[in-house]
Amino acid sequence: EPEVTQTPSHQVTQMGQEVILRCVPISNHLYFYWYRQILGQKVEFLVSFYNNEISEKSEIFDDQFSVERPDGSNFTLKIRSTKLEDSAMYFCASSEEGRGGGYTFGSGTRLTVV
Amino acid sequence: EDKVVQSPLSLVVHEGDTVTLNCSYEVTNFRSLLWYKQEKKAPTFLFMLTSSGIEKKSGRLSSILDKKELFSILNITATQTGDSAVYLCAVHNAGNMLTFGGGTRLMVKP
Repeated sequence: EPEVTQTPSHQVTQMGQEVILRCVPISNHLYFYWYRQILGQKVEFLVSFYNNEISEKSEIFDDQFSVERPDGSNFTLKIRSTKLEDSAMYFCASSEEGRGGGYTFGSGTRLTVV
Repeated sequence: EDKVVQSPLSLVVHEGDTVTLNCSYEVTNFRSLLWYKQEKKAPTFLFMLTSSGIEKKSGRLSSILDKKELFSILNITATQTGDSAVYLCAVHNAGNMLTFGGGTRLMVKP
């Protein structure tokens, strides 16, 4: 079964450093997303991406965050200057169309900011 | 602001029991409601519901949506230890995002 692949599975970084989280969505999917889940809290939407541009973003997704699809397969989330409160599990997801039900989530990257 | 509330927060049952998980929502421009199972990491898709009163079924799991009362239930019959997980409810609005509830943590004891 097709999978969304995320790397690394766990990243530890120092406060103020830049991190890039990587995702390979399912190949025929057109919509890409990032969600995050702070330990013990709800899964929260960050951003959706379609046709090489952001289609929607939440208020969490401020100027410290950016997304990119640098080639035909990767989808990245960059956090420019990490803060302690950025520590969370970050999930990438993709869907064939923007219907919600076709979402496939990756297994996540646990980001720990120290 | 869209809102999804799940209850109970957690549940402990024994194998063979039947459980009902609840999800209520307030969302503008509702498109669909989704149920996911989250074991260790990634949420895995269970059901998508768009119409009221139509039960979706997959093995021992079933779910139904009430768009008038703005809630959904997820039923699991003859529970097994492998059903132990966090069950997440999410609503999809007219924008392209999911709003998740806080989840129900189900533990099934042998």
